[in-house]
Amino acid sequence: GAVVSQHPSRVICKSGTSVKIECRSLDFQATTMFWYRQFPKKSLMLMATSNEGSKATYEQGVEKDKFLINHASLTLSTLTVTSAHPEDSSFYICSASGRGAGNEQFFGPGTRLTVL
Amino acid sequence: GENVEQHPSTLSVQEGDSAVIKCTYSDSASNYFPWYKQELGKRPQLIIDIRSNVGEKKDQRIAVTLNKTAKHFSLHITETQPEDSAVYFCAASRGGNEKLTFGTGTRLTIIP
Repeated sequence: GAVVSQHPSRVICKSGTSVKIECRSLDFQATTMFWYRQFPKKSLMLMATSNEGSKATYEQGVEKDKFLINHASLTLSTLTVTSAHPEDSSFYICSASGRGAGNEQFFGPGTRLTVL
Repeated sequence: GENVEQHPSTLSVQEGDSAVIKCTYSDSASNYFPWYKQELGKRPQLIIDIRSNVGEKKDQRIAVTLNKTAKHFSLHITETQPEDSAVYFCAASRGGNEKLTFGTGTRLTIIP
């Protein structure tokens, strides 16, 4: 299957700082990328959908000014958690679909964010 | 929007026996139903999926059934093995490239 990478795999930051997470499709053109958040022992919850070159569509209850999503190229999307607080600590996972990836989406390995 | 319910939340099965996990969905426009296996701290792994034009699909020990009229689908694992222990999620979407709505997950434990 197609390969999606995420960086960093783990990050620890202080409360009030911003953190950027990168999601890359390595061997296909990701026309659409999805960002999910997963709290411990919970399910994956979609935060937003981003299409290359356009603004992300956020799910209800997700603050777009806090979770900034950029999808400027067909291989890279970034999620920036601004002014992070301890309650933002979670497992963030991206997925991607597009040309050369068949009719399904492929998940990145996830980023564990811990806000102190 | 779509709502996916999943049962049971935990399931313990003797090695060699079968395990069944059930999901229901609400959006009649959903037509793609994947199942994922997730180990602790890892990404979800697609283990099988089904699209609305078929009622059943099988891949070795794993099978999925879909009843579009009743809006429910099920995962069946036969001849369970210890390595099948993990958390399983069902999901639904309006297409393979569309956003997924996940079920709440089932923690499956295979007892040796």
